[in-house]
Amino acid sequence: DQQVKQNSPSLSVQEGRISILNCDYTNSMFDYFLWYKKYPAEGPTFLISISSIKDKNEDGRFTVFLNKSAKHLSLHIVPSQPGDSAVYFCAARNSGNTPLVFGKGTRLSVIA
Amino acid sequence: GAVVSQHPSWVICKSGTSVKIECRSLDFQATTMFWYRQFPKQSLMLMATSNEGSKATYEQGVEKDKFLINHASLTLSTLTVTSAHPEDSSFYICSARGGAGGPRYTGELFFGEGSRLTVL
Repeated sequence: DQQVKQNSPSLSVQEGRISILNCDYTNSMFDYFLWYKKYPAEGPTFLISISSIKDKNEDGRFTVFLNKSAKHLSLHIVPSQPGDSAVYFCAARNSGNTPLVFGKGTRLSVIA
Repeated sequence: GAVVSQHPSWVICKSGTSVKIECRSLDFQATTMFWYRQFPKQSLMLMATSNEGSKATYEQGVEKDKFLINHASLTLSTLTVTSAHPEDSSFYICSARGGAGGPRYTGELFFGEGSRLTVL
């Protein structure tokens, strides 16, 4: 049973527009959520995170929104740039030193 | 710069041989490291949790005798794929989180660069 779901395997956006990547989770014990960016043949790099006590966290062009009642989070990238083209993984974990559970990823292509 | 380093990045081996992958935390002590595996176009799947000075905890379905994990120091964990077979070909990624109260403890995991294993 997949606890973290990214239902869109791919997304194409024009440069300068907003990219919205979505993620749903089923485990109500998750209290920390993260987004990672991954290029082929490389390890994931941390992008942004949000604690369950917040509903929004912003860092530059990246904003993560959390809707706990819907068990849904989203990553907004604005404006999108060609260098943002990568696979984005949503991840979640319980409190404590627990491993992350990842979604399957969404491949974002930003077209110039 | 990278805070978690993996070696080797690429390895090709013959079926039946064993391969060791190293994961090092470069500027912090990691009491716990996690080993993930990724098949093409799939998610990162947790294989095991490596704890310094104790036995690793394996996820269901992961053979502990095939994937040997040794976390002998606070900065090094190794994954050895024993008697490798073509179906073990995959992208293996380690990750670490700094200990609470110390540097690098910010909640997120730091990932290594990954190691691509191809078994012929």
